Amino acid sequence: AQSVTQLDSHVSVSEGTPVLLRCNYSSSYSPSLFWYVQHPNKGLQLLLKYTSAATLVKGINGFEAEFKKSETSFHLTKPSAHMSDAAEYFCVVSGSNFGNEKLTFGTGTRLTIIP
Amino acid sequence: DTAVSQTPKYLVTQMGNDKSIKCEQNLGHDTMYWYKQDSKKFLKIMFSYNNKELIINETVPNRFSPKSPDKAHLNLHINSLELGDSAVYFCASSQERDLNRGQYFGPGTRLTVL
Repeated sequence: AQSVTQLDSHVSVSEGTPVLLRCNYSSSYSPSLFWYVQHPNKGLQLLLKYTSAATLVKGINGFEAEFKKSETSFHLTKPSAHMSDAAEYFCVVSGSNFGNEKLTFGTGTRLTIIP
Repeated sequence: DTAVSQTPKYLVTQMGNDKSIKCEQNLGHDTMYWYKQDSKKFLKIMFSYNNKELIINETVPNRFSPKSPDKAHLNLHINSLELGDSAVYFCASSQERDLNRGQYFGPGTRLTVL
């Protein structure tokens, strides 16, 4: 069984300040973890993924996330927010690499950027 | 070039009707998926096909029937539409059954049942 919890449904930051979107996961297997972004009325785009290699993962648009097994966390960060970062962000966990693999999505965090 | 495309983008229909949503990917992927996103933005997988074979079938009413004529297409047919079927439906594809490479999503189809 696997699940993911996004701790904040809505985060607001000022342009140019750091972004932190929090995610905790639960998985019976060694998980693969992803962050996806969804801009208004758009599809989902993969930001970054962790697949048991380096624990600090760098993604597109200056985002990165750190896998912390001891804390079962995979928080998403960015040093300086840009107006174009305003979107919905989903933390996602996948289970085993074999059998019925599937993605389990968190409930999403809406990021608002204040000019 | 569009990687994963869906048609139509918007679909408004009456309760009780039957409708289909089409999905095509030109990435050469062998696994395709359908997801449902409800009004609260919650995304949940419905089906997954690998090389035209159904490999994931979540608890979805049997009014929903996926059809994969070839590995580049995965269509979703819905019979006897209900109000609760209103949602955004996303198609996705991936390279292999191993999801480590991530999935590529289509733009979504917003279904409204009146």
